[in-house]
Amino acid sequence: GAVVSQHPSRVICKSGTSVKIECRSLDFQATTMFWYRQFPKKSLMLMATSNEGSKATYEQGVEKDKFLINHASLTLSTLTVTSAHPEDSSFYICSAPLVSTIYFGEGSWLTVV
Amino acid sequence: GQNIDQPTEMTATEGAIVQINCTYQTSGFNGLFWYQQHAGEAPTFLSYNVLDGLEEKGRFSSFLSRSKGYSYLLLKELQMKDSASYLCAVRDVNRDDKIIFGKGTRLHILP
Repeated sequence: GAVVSQHPSRVICKSGTSVKIECRSLDFQATTMFWYRQFPKKSLMLMATSNEGSKATYEQGVEKDKFLINHASLTLSTLTVTSAHPEDSSFYICSAPLVSTIYFGEGSWLTVV
Repeated sequence: GQNIDQPTEMTATEGAIVQINCTYQTSGFNGLFWYQQHAGEAPTFLSYNVLDGLEEKGRFSSFLSRSKGYSYLLLKELQMKDSASYLCAVRDVNRDDKIIFGKGTRLHILP
């Protein structure tokens, strides 16, 4: 079964609105989670590292005010895309490390219309 | 910085063997991962190497040479379902153990 669960799997929103994506670790605690974005036929690009109890660290070029990350508990991290634009349409995926493996959520397809 | 290089595309024949190479440059190497990703789906874990040598897991094997900054993924007895992207990823202890992915290798299997 899934080790990391991500929700929603698909979401369509209007330009200018905000969308929240949840990432949950199942049966284990994740003090760190990673958020990636993937455009079609491209690789996974690390956006930010979510740290439980402290601020997320963002990769260069990623707007922290636009992509809000909250890691409120040891099993939940959320990514909120604020004031979404069509160019934010992408596949967003989270992951959490467990021992020597990194487990990925199922991913979330965001379409901004 | 961190550079991870792997071929963009490869083609192989069903039943054959293919080797996908990955080279990396990182200041704080702390493990190398291989993932398989089918279009539109989340990546699935294939292997993890942190020490030099070959790790074998069924039809898939992964090799690491830390001194050369080099790894390969070996796929044997190729099946049509192996058509996918294969992602090499490196964990960097000097970057808070972040996992950075290469651009992936799209593998096409021909019947």
